[in-house]
Amino acid sequence: GAVVSQHPSWVICKSGTSVKIECRSLDFQATTMFWYRQFPKQSLMLMATSNEGSKATYEQGVEKDKFLINHASLTLSTLTVTSAHPEDSSFYICSAPRPGGRSDTQYFGPGTRLTVL
Amino acid sequence: DAKTTQPTSMDCAEGRAANLPCNHSTISGNEYVYWYRQIHSQGPQYIIHGLKNNETNEMASLIITEDRKSSTLILPHATLRDTAVYYCIVYNSGGSNYKLTFGKGTLLTVNP
Repeated sequence: GAVVSQHPSWVICKSGTSVKIECRSLDFQATTMFWYRQFPKQSLMLMATSNEGSKATYEQGVEKDKFLINHASLTLSTLTVTSAHPEDSSFYICSAPRPGGRSDTQYFGPGTRLTVL
Repeated sequence: DAKTTQPTSMDCAEGRAANLPCNHSTISGNEYVYWYRQIHSQGPQYIIHGLKNNETNEMASLIITEDRKSSTLILPHATLRDTAVYYCIVYNSGGSNYKLTFGKGTLLTVNP
């Protein structure tokens, strides 16, 4: 089946530093990818839509200058958390749809746990 | 996209069928019902989807009522590894917008 990978699976960083998270579609091309954030005991919240070859679309309330998204190729999207602070500690998950007729299905990465000290 | 309502939690005995309900009374004609699950500290996993007919795959069965206002996900023989949060999502997969909106889902706990 389709696989989406994320790297790293976990990261610990100091407050004020920047962290880059990669999301790759391993056996299919994805012109669109999605980035979610999940706080403990809460549901996934969509942060932004990553579009290959164009600017990302951010959900209301998500700071685009803080969460930089780059969709460099049809198989890679990166999320950079700039000047991270403890409140940015969360579980970040990406997904990619694999279009196929009317059976569009989202494939999710395993997630990246970010801890900001 | 239509809103869904699910019970917060459910318990099921190992080996028994787990029946997870979902209400989506405002669903429109071109919206599909999708089910995903999320095992603790992992990314969500696609389970099954349907429009109006009942569907079955290797993971589960999906029963959609005739008026499409509710559905039930059935795990025929639940195992401990099925313990997860199950999300029922309604959206129009035929459009160009693939955004999924996750509710709070149902925490299914499979007990030995």
